[in-house]
Amino acid sequence: GEDVEQSLFLSVREGDSSVINCTYTDSSSTYLYWYKQEPGAGLQLLTYIFSNMDMKQDQRLTVLLNKKDKHLSLRIADTQTGDSAIYFCAEMNYGGSQGNLIFGKGTKLSVKP
Amino acid sequence: SQTIHQWPATLVQPVGSPLSLECTVEGTSNPNLYWYRQAAGRGLQLLFYSVGIGQISSEVPQNLSASRPQDRQFILSSKKLLLSDSGFYLCAWSVQGVYNYGYTFGSGTRLTVV
Repeated sequence: GEDVEQSLFLSVREGDSSVINCTYTDSSSTYLYWYKQEPGAGLQLLTYIFSNMDMKQDQRLTVLLNKKDKHLSLRIADTQTGDSAIYFCAEMNYGGSQGNLIFGKGTKLSVKP
Repeated sequence: SQTIHQWPATLVQPVGSPLSLECTVEGTSNPNLYWYRQAAGRGLQLLFYSVGIGQISSEVPQNLSASRPQDRQFILSSKKLLLSDSGFYLCAWSVQGVYNYGYTFGSGTRLTVV
């Protein structure tokens, strides 16, 4: 079955880099996503990567994909207190009549000043 | 541009009372629509999705139902709320057949059943 797993907590100091890790199970070509959820808010799409790519960079965000190990990571450079949030990894599953997003349980990032 | 509206933002309801949460999407046609629940454990559980008017698929058996009376309107309902229905409910939409944008989420409804 499909399963997306992530560690639940990460704590870093302001200015350091944060690396949030995720493993997924779908072996077919797929889209993989990182979402951010601030307290009491909905989910905001941060970035996505297609499984034929190894890396994608967008300003302070770098996504690395190891397709062989089905491992996805999100690196946030120069982490700020405003980056404190829950980060969800998700993969698109194409089973059935339409694609469905499968989410991990989320990693709560705490940034200490 | 496309926007998604979800209301109310917060709701406190007694056990046994009915529920109606509404979600509307603007700026797109024939979207896929979704209802998710996020309980205290923070994981996201897909409750319902819809690919068209009147077409509802349920992912888990539960005390809730969903309806799509119009193309861009998705309603989550219950006839009698349970304590276990408390949680954060999120509506989302996506473009059919387009995957690189994932889903776009509304701002959520915090439901507390007392």
